[in-house]
Amino acid sequence: DVKVTQSSRYLVKRTGEKVFLECVQDMDHENMFWYRQDPGLGLRLIYFSYDVKMKEKGDIPEGYSVSREKKERFSLILESASTNQTSMYLCASSLTSGRALAGKNIQYFGAGTRLSVL
Amino acid sequence: GQNIDQPTEMTATEGAIVQINCTYQTSGFNGLFWYQQHAGEAPTFLSYNVLDGLEEKGRFSSFLSRSKGYSYLLLKELQMKDSASYLCAAKSNDYKLSFGAGTTVTVRA
Repeated sequence: DVKVTQSSRYLVKRTGEKVFLECVQDMDHENMFWYRQDPGLGLRLIYFSYDVKMKEKGDIPEGYSVSREKKERFSLILESASTNQTSMYLCASSLTSGRALAGKNIQYFGAGTRLSVL
Repeated sequence: GQNIDQPTEMTATEGAIVQINCTYQTSGFNGLFWYQQHAGEAPTFLSYNVLDGLEEKGRFSSFLSRSKGYSYLLLKELQMKDSASYLCAAKSNDYKLSFGAGTTVTVRA
């Protein structure tokens, strides 16, 4: 069974703190993604990675950075947390096109981390 | 840029049929996904369309018209457990998805 695990379900941090959100997948997927989900806005892509040590900015990368040192792990970093980063953060992974059946790069999601920045 | 539109909320009765529409304007469109998300849980894959037409999978079906930039998800024989948010997502290259805001479906007894 496919599994994407996010290290925390709930986090409360203070403004200015450095925050690490961890995501691990056990499916040998090449691609990994970080989204945030806010009411009325849907899922918005922050960063993604298509290989170890590779990263690409998504639609809203400001205030975030990422790290992918191993294939199975993708970390999202908030260098200095701010209140407008209070949100639900979702990690996902998928196969690369060359390995996906009929181009169906299904993204598998973790359960999410609800982050509150006070 | 990407623009994905779907209704915010829908309500239906147990046993009924509901159709959730999604329109998209996506450069380099390369497929349409539907996901289901129960409150407080991860989105889970429901369906994928890349060619025009209807894909049926049990009580759920998904339709795509590439020329019209339009898709729908059809839920038949609604059950209480179908109460969830349904997310439409357009694939624009090999692996990136652009999501709509989601449609919350409430099934009433």
